[in-house]
Amino acid sequence: EDKVVQSPLSLVVHEGDTVTLNCSYEVTNFRSLLWYKQEKKAPTFLFMLTSSGIEKKSGRLSSILDKKELSSILNITATQTGDSAIYLCAVIHGSSNTGKLIFGQGTTLQVKP
Amino acid sequence: EADIYQTPRYLVIGTGKKITLECSQTMGHDKMYWYQQDPGMELHLIHYSYGVNSTEKGDLSSESTVSRIRTEHFPLTLESARPSHTSQYLCASSEFRGTNLNTGELFFGEGSRLTVL
Repeated sequence: EDKVVQSPLSLVVHEGDTVTLNCSYEVTNFRSLLWYKQEKKAPTFLFMLTSSGIEKKSGRLSSILDKKELSSILNITATQTGDSAIYLCAVIHGSSNTGKLIFGQGTTLQVKP
Repeated sequence: EADIYQTPRYLVIGTGKKITLECSQTMGHDKMYWYQQDPGMELHLIHYSYGVNSTEKGDLSSESTVSRIRTEHFPLTLESARPSHTSQYLCASSEFRGTNLNTGELFFGEGSRLTVL
């Protein structure tokens, strides 16, 4: 059965801390892995990772894919209260024309002042 | 900015009523999806479509049905709503195709929160 598993499920930190969120997957015909941030409404796109070992970076957020370990991490440095959200990992798998996207259960991050 | 719209945003309805959740996108995307999400839980794919007249059931069994008569429109219908259908329903679209992955990302609508009494 195809699945995406995220850890931890929830995390509470203080402003300025650095956090690392984990995502592991078991899918047939992996194509790419995506990270989303979900606050109160719909998820918003953060990163898409296709190649192993290449870090994607946007401000204080960065992510890297390890295809050998079938996993990815999302790092947030110098956290701020505005980073509080659910972080979703998703994997696109399947054939080139019928790729489906499976989501993990998400990591709920709370950043305290 | 993504151009994908869902209506209604909130709906409270009695058991047994028929409801249709609307989803439209103006990006010309071939692929569209419906996800169901309960509070604090992961998103579950309930329906997807690769193009006009193409619809498939997702990983989570759902009593809802969908149609794709036009590229931009992907409505979801519940013939007889029940309290167990209470949830948030998220519509999404993407450009994922072939080896030209573009960004591969999904564009989400704002969601429709359904409460069945």
